[in-house]
Parts: sequence; structure tokens; C-alpha cells
Amino acid sequence: ETGVTQSPTHLIKTRGQQVTLRCSSQSGHNTVSWYQQALGQGPQFIFQYYREEENGRGNFPPRFSGLQFPNYSSELNVNALELDDSALYLCASSLVGGGGNEKLFFGSGTQLSVL
Amino acid sequence: AQSVTQLGSHVSVSEGALVLLRCNYSSSVPPYLFWYVQYPNQGLQLLLKYTSAATLVKGINGFEAEFKKSETSFHLTKPSAHMSDAAEYFCAVSDRNSGNTPLVFGKGTRLSVIA
Repeated sequence: ETGVTQSPTHLIKTRGQQVTLRCSSQSGHNTVSWYQQALGQGPQFIFQYYREEENGRGNFPPRFSGLQFPNYSSELNVNALELDDSALYLCASSLVGGGGNEKLFFGSGTQLSVL
Repeated sequence: AQSVTQLGSHVSVSEGALVLLRCNYSSSVPPYLFWYVQYPNQGLQLLLKYTSAATLVKGINGFEAEFKKSETSFHLTKPSAHMSDAAEYFCAVSDRNSGNTPLVFGKGTRLSVIA
């Protein structure tokens, strides 16, 4: 049990729609990262938020956006869904204090299917 | 740019046999290396990490890995496989040991344990 929860666990959307995935971090964690794990692949870094500001982004288009809230929750929004967006989406939180060696805690993920 | 290559998408061993999962990395800076395990319908759990303190790293559940700079490898081993070790294993690399540093994952190796 990592203390990181994601909702929903499964979701089916059609191409062109918009989707919002949610993550509840461990209490006090100031950093959340989102990863996309396509079938048969390792997780790929989408972006990261630190104290409610985007703090790094991977090679994903702008239709992937996010928010981080003061209550340790966060969202991943994807607009104009494409078939290739079908994947497991993982969030990971940590408490970053500048000293390094912080541990990442992963949620169980949201499985998104785009038809 | 950093990258990780995991040799073998699927490894099958008998219960009680040696487990060896291979990982080679590419990095232009001294790397930080990680092994994660993913059980079905669960998120990623950290098994162990290399942070330059020692080349032989011991992790949870009896796993260990050895950092070999000359071979750019970080293979994961366990002397005796247990049925509960059946899962997907991911090797990852980053350029810092911090909770806000993106991880670059390999494609994963599925470990099957045969009774």
C-alpha cells in the first residue's frame, strides 16, 4: 500500500473526446509525476508538478495537461483523444526537500481505452 | 540522453532456480539506476537503487543488483526464485537521485516462475 490512489481504475472513451484522470498523493507530498505505460512498454514520463507548478515535461503534445492542487490531489487531462492514447496512466508522488534520495510512490494506475 | 535496454521480454525459471534479469544502460553522466517490480493490477514498487555508494546493491525480497561501469550493466539477481516473484520487472535510469527527477524506463521483463 503506497498511499497513492488513482481514479477511475478503468475508463473507455472514443476518439476525439476529452478525459480527466485523478490522483490523490500521500499527505504532504509536494511533487507528483505522471507516466504513460503503453501495452508491452515501460512507463514514459509525461510531466511533473512541484508545488502546483509544472516542473518538467516529457515528449508529449500540449493536449496532455495537468493540475496539482493544495490538497495533494492532481489531474491529468487529455484532449482530442487518439487511439494511441490507450494505455495505463500512472501517477507517482514524493516529498522533495532538496536533500535528494527521495522515494517515489506509485499508484495502481488508470487503464484508458480509446475506441 | 539516457536510455535503458532490458534483454529478454520474458524470462521463465523453475522455483528455487537462480533469477537473472539483464539491464544495460546508456548515460552521458554518472547514472542513478533503479529496479522496479509491477504485480498485476498494481503500481510500481521499488526493489533497489544504485546511487554510487556501493556497486553491489541489496534490495527487498532477496533481490540484488551489481553496477558494472565497464559493461554499462545493472543486472538483477536472486539466488532462489519463489512463486511470488512472478511479475513484470523494469529497469530505470535517471541523472539524479531525487524524487523530482524523471525516470527513463526499459520495456520490462516478465518473469514467470514454474513450480
